[in-house]
Amino acid sequence: EAGVAQSPRYKIIEKRQSVAFWCNPISGHATLYWYQQILGQGPKLLIQFQNNGVVDDSQLPKDRFSAERLKGVDSTLKIQPAKLEDSAVYLCASSPAPAYEQYFGPGTRLTVT
Amino acid sequence: GESVGLHLPTLSVQEGDNSIINCAYSNSASDYFIWYKQESGKGPQFIIDIRSNMDKRQGQRVTVLLNKTVKHLSLQIAATQPGDSAVYFCAELSGGNDYKLSFGAGTTVTVRA
Repeated sequence: EAGVAQSPRYKIIEKRQSVAFWCNPISGHATLYWYQQILGQGPKLLIQFQNNGVVDDSQLPKDRFSAERLKGVDSTLKIQPAKLEDSAVYLCASSPAPAYEQYFGPGTRLTVT
Repeated sequence: GESVGLHLPTLSVQEGDNSIINCAYSNSASDYFIWYKQESGKGPQFIIDIRSNMDKRQGQRVTVLLNKTVKHLSLQIAATQPGDSAVYFCAELSGGNDYKLSFGAGTTVTVRA
């Protein structure tokens, strides 16, 4: 079974630039999550989708972050404009349903200079 | 703030010895806990879970203990191997409609040959 795919794996941008991350969850998984993991910390949930609807985006900085999952499969996370403090690993995870085990992708390491 | 946390940020273990990683949580209403392992450059990987109605659960070389009286859980790894070197996170799954996963800060385990 293929795991959660993410791209790119690494991205370096300057502050105030824009960036987008892509996630392809495990086939058939209805629930998709985006996490932010700052160096030395545990992952923090940014947004949770159930199919193509948002379940929880309370921790998403909506003035600069946006995410979508239009067809209920792939998802993109965008940051516009980026700040230095956005430097982190952005992890995507998926699960068959909200209460089930979450499977994580390898993450995208973002460096904002 | 975070509802789960780990006692020690680092742990150095001799190969073949047993490892014990500790975690304290603050939400007495939590009913499900998970231990994750994160190797460098990878996303968190599920190790073992335990529900609040249990005190102990065993897997292959791993045991999780839950002490609800003092709100503490631990992960024991038997006969630690070099491949066990990683960052270990405890996570709490909150209930409600969204089943949000909250991670602690992590313990970095280094196995000495």
